[in-house]
Amino acid sequence: DQQVKQNSPSLSVQEGRISILNCDYTNSMFDYFLWYKKYPAEGPTFLISISSIKDKNEDGRFTVFLNKSAKHLSLHIVPSQPGDSAVYFCAASEGGSWGKLQFGAGTQVVVTP
Amino acid sequence: SQTIHQWPATLVQPVGSPLSLECTVEGTSNPNLYWYRQAAGRGLQLLFYSIGIDQISSEVPQNLSASRPQDRQFILSSKKLLLSDSGFYLCAWNLAGGVETQYFGPGTRLLVL
Repeated sequence: DQQVKQNSPSLSVQEGRISILNCDYTNSMFDYFLWYKKYPAEGPTFLISISSIKDKNEDGRFTVFLNKSAKHLSLHIVPSQPGDSAVYFCAASEGGSWGKLQFGAGTQVVVTP
Repeated sequence: SQTIHQWPATLVQPVGSPLSLECTVEGTSNPNLYWYRQAAGRGLQLLFYSIGIDQISSEVPQNLSASRPQDRQFILSSKKLLLSDSGFYLCAWNLAGGVETQYFGPGTRLLVL
C-alpha cells in the first residue's frame, strides 16, 4: 500500500513566484520527513527535512511545513527559479526502521519564464 | 567528504541474461546501504537494505538479489533478467544508528530487451 502520496503529478509555476508541493501520508508512526529533487537520469538530491517534533523548517528558498494532525506536509519554494524544474519526491521514515524511506510518486515542477 | 559511485551508468541486456550492478561508498565506515528502483513514471521503490556486511533484508519478492561483500560495497544481481526488471536503479547510503538523511548515487539505467 502507498503510505506516502503526492497527488499532483505536475506543477507549472512562473519564475519568481511561489511553488507549493504537497504530500500526504497514512502511517502515524512516521517521524522523519524529507524532500528530494531529481533531474532525469540522475540520483535524487536531498533538499530539506523535518522531524515530527517540529512543524516548520527553513533553508534558504526552501521551507517545509508539517501538519501532523492532518498527516500532511508541504514544500514551499520562494522564489521559483528555472533551475528548480525537476521532479520532487516526498519521503518518510519510521523510527526503528533502519532509516528505510517510503517515497511518494513525485511531482514534476516546471518553472516558466 | 563522502561520495557514492555506481556502475555501469547504462546497461542494455537481453531477457534471461545475468545482472550485476555495483555500488561503492567512500569516506565513511559502516554505512547503511540501500537499493531502490524507479520504474518509468513512478516513484522510488526500496528493494534491499543492509546494516552491515552480509546483513541484507529484502523488501519485495522479486527476481533480484543483493550482496554486501565489503563494508562499503553493495551489489545488486540477477541470474536471469525479466523484461519487468527494466528501470533506473539507485543506490543510497546513510549513517548507521539512527534516522539519517539518505544520499543517493548517480543511478544505473537498465533496459532489458
